[in-house]
Amino acid sequence: QSALTQPASVSGSPGQSITISCTGTSSDVGGYNYVSWYQQHPGKAPKLMIYDVSNRPSGVSNRFSGSKSGNTASLTISGLQAEDEADYYCSSYTSSSTLDVFGGGTKLTVL
Amino acid sequence: EVQLVESGGGLIQPGGSLRLSCAASGFTVSSNYMSWVRQAPGKGLEWVSVIYSGGSTYYADSVKGRFTISRDNSKNTLYLQMNSLRAEDTAVYYCVAVAHYWGQGTLVTVSS
Repeated sequence: QSALTQPASVSGSPGQSITISCTGTSSDVGGYNYVSWYQQHPGKAPKLMIYDVSNRPSGVSNRFSGSKSGNTASLTISGLQAEDEADYYCSSYTSSSTLDVFGGGTKLTVL
Repeated sequence: EVQLVESGGGLIQPGGSLRLSCAASGFTVSSNYMSWVRQAPGKGLEWVSVIYSGGSTYYADSVKGRFTISRDNSKNTLYLQMNSLRAEDTAVYYCVAVAHYWGQGTLVTVSS
């Protein structure tokens, strides 16, 4: 069982917006502003989409945004496009001895 | 441009050892924190280990005491020494730099 909880799947139509949640505890998501989001296409390495809760690396579309409220972080993708179909993972720094934890991943389907 | 190239994966019997390497270019391994993350076939991502610029190291409970992360500053290369391998260690192992840059991964298969 993953330390962070994500929905197994979400879906949306092209042009719509979707939000993926990532729920942790006060020892990880809620306690630090070190939440990252990764996109992974089949057979490819993960790609960083959001870091430190809401920051986008250079080159990432502004259709991707991140936020946090309490122990839950969220990734919102607006103006859905076919190429957004992928698996998405959240991760957070944690005060436990492991230092970093991932969510179980969410499969995004663009209908 | 940052490039991370992993190598050293392969088929190994349970109880065996393997050393993974991650050669970095466009990025200084010793000046930043570097991690290993793995992904079992059809499964999600699992953080394995990290080494900070000061040399501190940390491990997931699942590999503690069996895996060792290290680096060679002269070669700008990160390593993961994996001992006492188990079937559940079978995964693609990714080298990650400051959580931003990922290598292409190297597959480790532990099976008799």
